[in-house]
Amino acid sequence: QVKLLQSGAALVKPGASVKMSCKASGYTFTDYWVSWVKQSHGKSLEWIGEIYPNSGATNFNEKFKGKATLTVDKSTSTAYMELSRLTSEDSAIYYCTRRDFYYYSSHGAYWGQGTLVTVSS
Amino acid sequence: DIQMTQSPSSLPASLGERVTISCRASQGISNNLNWYQQKPDGTIKPLIYYTSNLQSGVPSRFSGSGSGTDYSLTISSLEPEDFAMYYCQQDASFPDTFGAGTKLELK
Repeated sequence: QVKLLQSGAALVKPGASVKMSCKASGYTFTDYWVSWVKQSHGKSLEWIGEIYPNSGATNFNEKFKGKATLTVDKSTSTAYMELSRLTSEDSAIYYCTRRDFYYYSSHGAYWGQGTLVTVSS
Repeated sequence: DIQMTQSPSSLPASLGERVTISCRASQGISNNLNWYQQKPDGTIKPLIYYTSNLQSGVPSRFSGSGSGTDYSLTISSLEPEDFAMYYCQQDASFPDTFGAGTKLELK
């Protein structure tokens, strides 16, 4: 079955960077876009961006350009997101999702369990 | 960006009750509307995609409808495991955007 297993919680200092992972299993990793979504404490969801593992092509929400970097390792079926120049506003849970398409529509059909990032000195 | 307005923000309901959650887009989204459920432990599960298509494994008591700017999620008869947060999402226009969420609570 399809699974997305995310890395564990991270405590990082302001100004630093953090890199989190999303290991996919149960499907052909290179066939599906992987999206990343942010959920600040007690708030709704924000779409950060996505990457197509086969080519490395990426799309970003304008709000997160320069903040997030998306990469993949096809050999381990793992997607990564690195967040840079961290501030308290980056403290949140970050989810990876597999984007499935249906005609001209798409949705997050599978979700990781989330990675909690806490930015604190 | 397209704004998604969900209502109500909180919905007290009883077991067995029929409930409806609404989602309004700031412009037409051509049925590109998805619904998700989030449990208190953070687990997010897709329920409905493209307005009315049930995700595999989701019980048939969940249904979706709508068109244009107005969409809804209906649960026909509430079960204990249905008390959770619900979010709508549009993918008609880049970037995808989500509603603020509806907390379905036990009355």
